[in-house]
Amino acid sequence: DAGITQSPRHKVTETGTPVTLRCHQTENHRYMYWYRQDPGHGLRLIHYSYGVKDTDKGEVSDGYSVSRSKTEDFLLTLESATSSQTSVYFCAISEGAFNQPQHFGDGTRLSIL
Amino acid sequence: GENVEQHPSTLSVQEGDSAVIKCTYSDSASNYFPWYKQELGKRPQLIIDIRSNVGEKKDQRIAVTLNKTAKHFSLHITETQPEDSAVYFCAAPDFNKFYFGSGTKLNVKP
Repeated sequence: DAGITQSPRHKVTETGTPVTLRCHQTENHRYMYWYRQDPGHGLRLIHYSYGVKDTDKGEVSDGYSVSRSKTEDFLLTLESATSSQTSVYFCAISEGAFNQPQHFGDGTRLSIL
Repeated sequence: GENVEQHPSTLSVQEGDSAVIKCTYSDSASNYFPWYKQELGKRPQLIIDIRSNVGEKKDQRIAVTLNKTAKHFSLHITETQPEDSAVYFCAAPDFNKFYFGSGTKLNVKP
């Protein structure tokens, strides 16, 4: 299995608080992705990174920001969490972009009350 | 961006039967198509993938077929077993991103 660690694995917080999720990889892969998974919507891309300090938006990026200061870490931040951001968040990594498989972390279950 | 549609959303089969899940995509430039299996409460795991230079790929009981002209690809599971019960996702690329289908919940009845 790909060396991907997400933290925390579970988090409960209140509306309006900032939240940061961390994805750490030991594979030295260039590409890293953040997805959210909600019932009936499959996996939707929030943001992705194609290198250190290089990031871009996905299809559901509003309300989220990311940072990648080193190859192994990709952070997802909810500046002011809302109940609509309650979801399961998955990080994925890939050696290449559009023609290489993505490997997923174990996910973070985030509940915003 | 890429539009990926997946059917059916749920599929129930008897153990030993075959299961087929189909996905269509919109970007004719797409050239790599993975399939993922996700068990309840677990992460999606890659089970098979296909590149556009081949029409079919097999791995034991699973296979994927690709029709580039019609822009669709399918997952075939033969001799299904209860442990095949899971949600299956297809995906298609668009530049640096992947777009996923909405998933098929497969239930294999013993």
